[in-house]
Amino acid sequence: AQTVTQSQPEMSVQEAETVTLSCTYDTSESNYYLFWYKQPPSRQMILVIRQEAYKQQNATENRFSVNFQKAAKSFSLKISDSQLGDTAMYFCAFMGWLGSQGNLIFGKGTKLSVKP
Amino acid sequence: SQTIHQWPATLVQPVGSPLSLECTVEGTSNPNLYWYRQAAGRGLQLLFYSVGIGQISSEVPQNLSASRPQDRQFILSSKKLLLSDSGFYLCAWSVLGVGGEQYFGPGTRLTVT
Repeated sequence: AQTVTQSQPEMSVQEAETVTLSCTYDTSESNYYLFWYKQPPSRQMILVIRQEAYKQQNATENRFSVNFQKAAKSFSLKISDSQLGDTAMYFCAFMGWLGSQGNLIFGKGTKLSVKP
Repeated sequence: SQTIHQWPATLVQPVGSPLSLECTVEGTSNPNLYWYRQAAGRGLQLLFYSVGIGQISSEVPQNLSASRPQDRQFILSSKKLLLSDSGFYLCAWSVLGVGGEQYFGPGTRLTVT
């Protein structure tokens, strides 16, 4: 069974600085998808970034980028120029290729606090 | 554009009472639909998913059930709530097939007393 592990329960960063959130996963599949979701205090889950495992190029969305290391089964999220609005829980999620239902498996999350 | 609605936003129910949470999606057809539960301080746990009307798959055995009476409506129910059913319930949708990211509703905070 696939598992997703986020080893950092809480992190903090100063405004305008850069922070990296870690995520590792375990799977026997060769094709799959990885996601980072953000859950601010409003608790609305918001998709931050998506990575296809068959793509070697790391995904980037404005200030958010990932470091995808397929052999190491690692998928970290880098937030550059951190803003107060980035304060939230961040969840790493895995979606396998096998089975078309597209079920997401989530890690337990990292609580990020951006300090002024 | 697509939108997803959940109601109620907040619910306080006594143990043993019934439950009905509703989720509707607008702006898309034949989506995959999902119910998740998020307990305090924990990640999301998939409860049910549906790939079409009347098609429900359960991921976790529990006293909850789900139904999909219409293409874009997904309902989470219980005949008798337990204290352990308290949590934050999120509905999500995705396009049919593999690799589609899921989009989440605003959630329902359920407290069982």
